Amino acid sequence: SQTIHQWPATLVQPVGSPLSLECTVEGTSNPNLYWYRQAAGRGLQLLFYSVGIGQISSEVPQNLSASRPQDRQFILSSKKLLLSDSGFYLCAWSYTGVGGYTFGSGTRLTVV
Amino acid sequence: GDSVTQMEGPVTLSEEAFLTINCTYTATGYPSLFWYVQYPGEGLQLLLKATKADDKGSNKGFEATYRKETTSFHLEKGSVQVSDSAVYFCALSVTGGGSNYKLTFGKGTLLTVNP
Repeated sequence: SQTIHQWPATLVQPVGSPLSLECTVEGTSNPNLYWYRQAAGRGLQLLFYSVGIGQISSEVPQNLSASRPQDRQFILSSKKLLLSDSGFYLCAWSYTGVGGYTFGSGTRLTVV
Repeated sequence: GDSVTQMEGPVTLSEEAFLTINCTYTATGYPSLFWYVQYPGEGLQLLLKATKADDKGSNKGFEATYRKETTSFHLEKGSVQVSDSAVYFCALSVTGGGSNYKLTFGKGTLLTVNP
């Protein structure tokens, strides 16, 4: 069966520090991968999606970047965190829109 | 573009009450429709889905019917429990046309069920 792993679960980082969040999928190949952010107030914002290795599409200009170095690995990064980067970050995978997404358990990032 | 509008709440009910959370959508193509649930501190879980008009998705006592004529996908449950307390998200995905299967979410509805 397919599983999705996301880590760390929580993270507290100072302003200006770098960030690396990792997401891996098991039990499937060539999935579509997605990073979402959920800020206070519960809304979900699509940050990046990827349809293959090295293929990244950005939805919102921001302080973050994403990479997909392997088929089942999706990384969210920042060189210098801002206070506004605080939030709950969710990774997800999908084969087709018909089936919906499977989400990871999320990373709660607090920038102080 | 695609969008989802759902009642934002919060919604507070007593146990065994009837629940309706309204959801309407606009889409550039023919969407699949979803309801996701997020329990406190956790990621999102797929609750139910419907992929074509008049389909009814159901799970754990929750139901929603894909109404193309009213562009709606309202979530209902006949008798809520305290354990149903969570945030509920309506979402759509338009397949084909280079959409890459992106999910568009509503803003979420916080449901609190009191014993």
